[in-house]
Amino acid sequence: KQEVTQIPAALSVPEGENLVLNCSFTDSAIYNLQWFRQDPGKGLTSLLLIQSSQREQTSGRLNASLDKSSGRSTLYIAASQPGDSATYLCAVMEDNAGNMLTFGGGTRLMVKP
Amino acid sequence: DAGVIQSPRHEVTEMGQEVTLRCKPISGHNSLFWYRQTMMRGLELLIYFNNNVPIDDSGMPEDRFSAKMPNASFSTLKIQPSEPRDSAVYFCASSLGTGWFTEAFFGQGTRLTVV
Repeated sequence: KQEVTQIPAALSVPEGENLVLNCSFTDSAIYNLQWFRQDPGKGLTSLLLIQSSQREQTSGRLNASLDKSSGRSTLYIAASQPGDSATYLCAVMEDNAGNMLTFGGGTRLMVKP
Repeated sequence: DAGVIQSPRHEVTEMGQEVTLRCKPISGHNSLFWYRQTMMRGLELLIYFNNNVPIDDSGMPEDRFSAKMPNASFSTLKIQPSEPRDSAVYFCASSLGTGWFTEAFFGQGTRLTVV
């Protein structure tokens, strides 16, 4: 059974710092990996999708990498801002389970002004 | 497109009552998912539909939970009778196709409180 783990569970950094969020998964037979952002009391917003054949994806100050063979992904946030404060979730879509996503527990990020 | 639309946004009900949550997926999407989020267990998949047909309901906690998708633009998740331990945020998500490029989009969720 696929298991997705995110470390750290919580992170607090001063504004302007570059930071890395980690995601690991146990079964490398995946179609893709998605990173989501969730603000308190809100739904999930898709940030980046990395297909299993890709190594990385970039969107603005966000860069996500994927090493499928080792079961790891990272989300790099450059020049963090207080508006980046949220919970970040990674999820994998397995290639033998339809379109179902298995989520990690999330990393709660706080960027202090 | 307005995205995935869920209603109601908040629901407070008494134990034993029936609760119905509603979801309208993104037009044209052929897969629909119901997830539940709690502090203790995070996000859990309850049930998954493809082309209106339930594919995997192994995540449905017990017989008190049921889900339907009568057409491509509407789905319901029903809890009868509701219990306090059902209190959670319930999310609906939809996606198109299958494979490497398939991206899931989530609604804003329904926060259910059973007292």
